Amino acid sequence: DTAVSQTPKYLVTQMGNDKSIKCEQNLGHDTMYWYKQDSKKFLKIMFSYNNKELIINETVPNRFSPKSPDKAHLNLHINSLELGDSAVYFCASSLRGFYEQYFGPGTRLTVT
Amino acid sequence: RKEVEQDPGPFNVPEGATVAFNCTYSNSASQSFFWYRQDCRKEPKLLMSVYSSGNEDGRFTAQLNRASQYISLLIRDSKLSDSATYLCVAQPSTDKLIFGTGTRLQVFP
Repeated sequence: DTAVSQTPKYLVTQMGNDKSIKCEQNLGHDTMYWYKQDSKKFLKIMFSYNNKELIINETVPNRFSPKSPDKAHLNLHINSLELGDSAVYFCASSLRGFYEQYFGPGTRLTVT
Repeated sequence: RKEVEQDPGPFNVPEGATVAFNCTYSNSASQSFFWYRQDCRKEPKLLMSVYSSGNEDGRFTAQLNRASQYISLLIRDSKLSDSATYLCVAQPSTDKLIFGTGTRLQVFP
């Protein structure tokens, strides 16, 4: 009974392609997030959604488009992939407020 | 200046040692603080929340000094399984966690 799950776990694709990553949580949380962890291991927030509504968009290129069909799901679509998009993308969830966040296993994206 | 700063390490310590990690944060509006642990090629996992009064969970003790904007983590009686990267986290708003770049710990036999 995985709490926060992501698919796929690995994604290898060529520059210029479009790809999606899916995330689901069964913790009953109302807020979900996407983070990017680059090659230097720095973990940075990209987006935050609360009850399907976008709360945070941290100056991410508009090639990245999150979508939340319901509060248990948050997907990330990336258009026109670039070499610099290679990273590990983590989904997370929490209750809204000053609470800890729980992370999915990550999607390791490699753009060639 | 990074919003959350940590010594990247690595800290190499023998089993049984006591090791302390420090962290500073720049946003004085931060209200919640955490330590996360991240193993190689895995997701960050919550180790413990950090409270103003200080708190302990088994071998782990966390302290917060709001005046100095400083957070610490003490690990007593280190185990091989404690080897990981420890991420200091501050929360300046309800929806945002700011992560430090992590401190790597390697415990050797």
